[in-house]
Amino acid sequence: SQQGEEDPQALSIQEGENATMNCSYKTSINNLQWYRQNSGRGLVHLILIRSNEREKHSGRLRVTLDTSKKSSSLLITASRAADTASYFCAPLSGSARQLTFGSGTQLTVLP
Amino acid sequence: DAGVIQSPRHEVTEMGQEVTLRCKPISGHNSLFWYRQTMMRGLELLIYFNNNVPIDDSGMPEDRFSAKMPNASFSTLKIQPSEPRDSAVYFCASSPGGGGGDEQYFGPGTRLTVT
Repeated sequence: SQQGEEDPQALSIQEGENATMNCSYKTSINNLQWYRQNSGRGLVHLILIRSNEREKHSGRLRVTLDTSKKSSSLLITASRAADTASYFCAPLSGSARQLTFGSGTQLTVLP
Repeated sequence: DAGVIQSPRHEVTEMGQEVTLRCKPISGHNSLFWYRQTMMRGLELLIYFNNNVPIDDSGMPEDRFSAKMPNASFSTLKIQPSEPRDSAVYFCASSPGGGGGDEQYFGPGTRLTVT
């Protein structure tokens, strides 16, 4: 399995602003998943995007995937203080069956 | 559904003692994963099961760690003997499919402190 690399490591924005986090990976994938972790809690699955998809939406979340650049981005629109959390991407390659998580992006939304 | 259930939520033990962490996956899920999270090493996959069978235990750090899944609704992670460096948050996750290709549902974690 391969590990995604999230960028930036930390991001601080004002409530109401948009937050964009990026993820890069090394080898071709079947799908890529985004997770959120609030402090002291387990990870929560946000979105799964398959290799043949370019964009996916879920509420205020928008995920894009560019397989030619081996990268994905997560956009949170109109951020809220409750969005403060760490965000992880997990790319899944063809033969792998388990996910590997990187260091994540720590997002802080200031009220 | 109650989600993935882990117990205990907190465990404090002395070095050398045996520690057993428990997990009840979501009913109907076929895969179960044990992770460990520390500040230094991040989130590490220790072992995962598919249909109660261990598929990949390459992440288990040492022979002191062992995991079992006697049935589809219960799994344990045991550390014997425990050491201070085992202090971490241990998460259990389950997935509906046959492997990590599906989304995973995480439990609340067990915070282990070994003194």
